[in-house]
Order: sequence, then C-alpha cells, then structure tokens
Amino acid sequence: GQNIDQPTEMTATEGAIVQINCTYQTSGFNGLFWYQQHAGEAPTFLSYNVLDGLEEKGRFSSFLSRSKGYSYLLLKELQMKDSASYLCAVLDSNYQLIWGAGTKLIIKP
Amino acid sequence: TAGITQAPTSQILAAGRSMTLRCTQDMRHNAMYWYRQDLGLGLRLIHYSNTAGTTGKGEVPDGYSVSRANTDDFPLTLASAVPSQTSVYFCASSPGAATGELFFGEGSRLTVL
Repeated sequence: GQNIDQPTEMTATEGAIVQINCTYQTSGFNGLFWYQQHAGEAPTFLSYNVLDGLEEKGRFSSFLSRSKGYSYLLLKELQMKDSASYLCAVLDSNYQLIWGAGTKLIIKP
Repeated sequence: TAGITQAPTSQILAAGRSMTLRCTQDMRHNAMYWYRQDLGLGLRLIHYSNTAGTTGKGEVPDGYSVSRANTDDFPLTLASAVPSQTSVYFCASSPGAATGELFFGEGSRLTVL
C-alpha cells in the first residue's frame, strides 16, 4: 500500500529553526508537496520538489531524497504565525496526491 | 478575488437525509476535487474531475456522487447521509490534472446525527 509518515506534533520556540520530516512509500513518484494549514482554515501550497536537493523560498526550505523516500520542511526564524499543521503529499504514478496526516507545529514564545 | 467558494460553511444533518455541498471556482481551472479531512487522517479523495463533463472515483467514493456540467461548478451530493460522513469537506481545483499544486476552498463542516 501507499504510505506517508510524518510526526503528529512538534513544538518549537519563536525565533528558532524547526525541521519537519516526511517519509513516503508510494506507487511511483511525480513530485512531493508541502502545504500549510492553519486551524479551521484551508490548506495552502508551500513548496514542491521533484528533483533531489534543497528548494529555498524565503524562511521556508524543502529537501528531497528520492532514493531514501524522504523529505523535510525547514522553517527558519520561527514566528508565532507559523503555528499550523504542515501536510506532506506525494503525486504518485497515476498523478493522484497521497497525503500524510499532517504535523501540528506549536510555537512557544 | 474569490478563487473557490464552498457552501454551506457548516451544516447539521439528520441521518438518512440528502445534502448537496456546492463548490464554484472562478479561475477557469480544468481539474476539480472533493476531499474529506478527519482528525488523525490525511486528506482523502472522494471524487475528482479532470475536465468538464468527466468525473472519477477517488479513495472513498461510497455514499457520494458528483457532477461536472461546466468548468466552474462541482457539487458533491450525499444521497442518504450516515454518521460516518461527519467530516470537514474541502473542494479544490488545479489548472490541469497532473499536478499536486491545488487551490482549496474554505471547507464545509458537516455533522450527521
């Protein structure tokens, strides 16, 4: 079966750096996506990796290793507004998105 | 800019009743999707449409039906609601089918009693 694993919850301090890991086992691979979802709101697209390596976008970076079935989302200079759930998703060989359950990130002052 | 509009925002429904969740987009996207989101689970695809006039079944289609008469609208119907259909429902769209960059509506919270 297809599976995406990410930690259920993480806590970090304002101003610090946090890394949210995602491992996947899917039928084929056509890209890995990270979304942010604030409580009670819709998911919004953050980043996309299809090749190995690091993609940087401001305070957020996403890394992919296809051989290891592994990605992480790195958030720098954490702000209180970064408190949200972060969803990892993989586009499989049928171009269907397979979603992880999400990681709830709690930022403390 | 509206993007994707869902209605209603929330609804309480008696078991056995029917219900249609509405979804309209103004981005002229070809592909549209219906997901349900339950605590502790990832988003699960109910039905999708790659282009107007076509629909397909997702991971959890039982008890739900959709139609795609035009590009903008993609309603989701529960013919006879059951308590296990209590969930938050998200409609989403993308310019084309073969992409993981989706645009989501604000969600419809449905409670079936």
